[in-house]
Amino acid sequence: QQQVKQSPQSLIVQKGGISIINCAYENTAFDYFPWYQQFPGKGPALLIAIRPDVSEKKEGRFTISFNKSAKQFSLHIMDSQPGDSATYFCAASHKLPGEDSNYQLIWGAGTKLIIKP
Amino acid sequence: DSGVTQTPKHLITATGQRVTLRCSPRSGDLSVYWYQQSLDQGLQFLIHYYNGEERAKGNILERFSAQQFPDLHSELNLSSLELGDSALYFCASSVGTSGTGELFFGEGSRLTVL
Repeated sequence: QQQVKQSPQSLIVQKGGISIINCAYENTAFDYFPWYQQFPGKGPALLIAIRPDVSEKKEGRFTISFNKSAKQFSLHIMDSQPGDSATYFCAASHKLPGEDSNYQLIWGAGTKLIIKP
Repeated sequence: DSGVTQTPKHLITATGQRVTLRCSPRSGDLSVYWYQQSLDQGLQFLIHYYNGEERAKGNILERFSAQQFPDLHSELNLSSLELGDSALYFCASSVGTSGTGELFFGEGSRLTVL
């Protein structure tokens, strides 16, 4: 129930195409869903994030679509560029029981995206 | 530049040895997280410290330990190293306890155990 399942494991998209990465979860206590982007040899960096009270969030060419009833969320990269080639991680966060403000961030397994020129 | 500093960047050692990885969080960040990433694998959460106190443990082996010092820097100690411990070890920091806050990752320490 604590897992976040990410698919596909790898993805090849032509330049200018739309890249779509999907994530699914079971725990309805999750209340924050970030996506991180990792280039080779670098640490992950926050790309975009969404809360479950909205169904979509767009930042430039990157859009998160969120389906609360299906417990799924996805990252769409429009007009994909070779510079978007990276590994993408979805994640989900929820507050742990107890008095302290302690949260748990659960990560998806990652998707290696290659954009072909 | 995320503002998180990790040293060393690369480390080669032998099985059975012990190493210490160091992390300096961003200025003002109280939380430090350690992650392990094996080749082409996902991020495995190891441990989280907040303002010097251990807050959460993930899949951290008993041979591994960590601490966060009063100046908020953190060290990850790996002992009795095995070949399978070869990986990238990332440190991340955040202002709070990552509920809805961004994690800022360092560039990692690449450990090779021969």
